[in-house]
Amino acid sequence: QQQVKQSPQSLIVQKGGISIINCAYENTAFDYFPWYQQFPGKGPALLIAIRPDVSEKKEGRFTISFNKSAKQFSLHIMDSQPGDSATYFCAASGEYGNKLVFGAGTILRVKS
Amino acid sequence: EAQVTQNPRYLITVTGKKLTVTCSQNMNHEYMSWYRQDPGLGLRQIYYSMNVEVTDKGDVPEGYKVSRKEKRNFPLILESPSPNQTSLYFCASSLGSPGHYGYTFGSGTRLTVV
Repeated sequence: QQQVKQSPQSLIVQKGGISIINCAYENTAFDYFPWYQQFPGKGPALLIAIRPDVSEKKEGRFTISFNKSAKQFSLHIMDSQPGDSATYFCAASGEYGNKLVFGAGTILRVKS
Repeated sequence: EAQVTQNPRYLITVTGKKLTVTCSQNMNHEYMSWYRQDPGLGLRQIYYSMNVEVTDKGDVPEGYKVSRKEKRNFPLILESPSPNQTSLYFCASSLGSPGHYGYTFGSGTRLTVV
């Protein structure tokens, strides 16, 4: 079964809007939560990551919100742009960081 | 340029015909891994290697083999491919454990087994 559950499967947002993608996990040993961005025909690329000692991390228009008690984390893309259209994967690792497990992915389309 | 190079990018083969997908990285990374990407299932780890001659199974290792004879190369071998191995495959490398350093991914190999 999926160790990290990601939703929604797909998302359409108007240009300038906020895109929100959610992930949930069960394994309390996870201690690293990255997000990867994948454009068509390319491999995923690390976008932003968070550790459970903070509740939020912001890099430009991208923000991760982390709720340790609920075992959930989310990616917010502010002022979404057509160039943000891609597939986004959340992921998690524990066990000394040797294994990274991915969510099922969210296909984001930003309409201009 | 620092990168992970996979070959071939596209491959169509027949059931049972052995094939190898090559992966090479030029960043002196210790950790390398193979994933397959399928719609609705995300990226699932096939095998990983923490260093030369050290390999271990991921979540979906059945039907695959790997070797790590040199630090830079980590080929994926399908001894007898079957149609359920039709997928998009990614090789990835990391300076150390990916939970600390993150992955650099290759551009992918789209495999079709008929």
